[in-house]
Amino acid sequence: EVQLVESGGGLVQPGGSLRLSCAASGFAFSTYSMHWVRQAPGKGLVWVSRINGEGRSTSYADSVRGRFTISRDNAKNTLYLQMNSLRAEDTAVYYCGPQEHFAFDRWGQGTMVTASS
Amino acid sequence: QSALTQPPSVSGSPGQSVTISCTGTSSDVGGYNRVSWYQQPPGTAPKLMIYEVTNRPSGVPDRFSGSKSGNTASLTISGLQAEDEADYYCCSYTSSSTFVFGTGTKVTVL
Repeated sequence: EVQLVESGGGLVQPGGSLRLSCAASGFAFSTYSMHWVRQAPGKGLVWVSRINGEGRSTSYADSVRGRFTISRDNAKNTLYLQMNSLRAEDTAVYYCGPQEHFAFDRWGQGTMVTASS
Repeated sequence: QSALTQPPSVSGSPGQSVTISCTGTSSDVGGYNRVSWYQQPPGTAPKLMIYEVTNRPSGVPDRFSGSKSGNTASLTISGLQAEDEADYYCCSYTSSSTFVFGTGTKVTVL
């Protein structure tokens, strides 16, 4: 059974940093591109970032490029999102998931990030 | 990376059909057959309903169908049921090797 467990969210002051983790199991983690998607309270889904299976190719939404860094440890079946210079508008539930057929068929329960003073 | 445009809401009576549109550009929806659709009831994670414009994952009822014409993709729910009431989002791959979601549509079953 595929499982995705996000962690690392919490309350942080604007300008601060957080590192999110996504522990994956039940599938061949290293063979899948992995993504982060976020959803602000009461708002829609927003794609954040992607990393290929080997970890050598990444891409980012314009709103986070230069502040967020996606990475992975295939030995630990874990995906990460390092978030620096956090802003109030980064407040959201962050979901991780593998890409298949240019879509996202598996989602975790999400982890909440709140950037507020 | 502007969000794809969806109507804020659509509604229909049980048994009727509703269609949700998703309008982008030639750099996303119009340029690739890589549009997906997600259903999200309140307080839950999204669920994939359609991938690559027309394909249904295993377990998704055949009442759900997808199509595309030019820069606009569509999701049709036929034989609307009370359990279909949820928010729906489209998503497309883009020419920048990124993805972009739609603005979301609330489906109400009258």
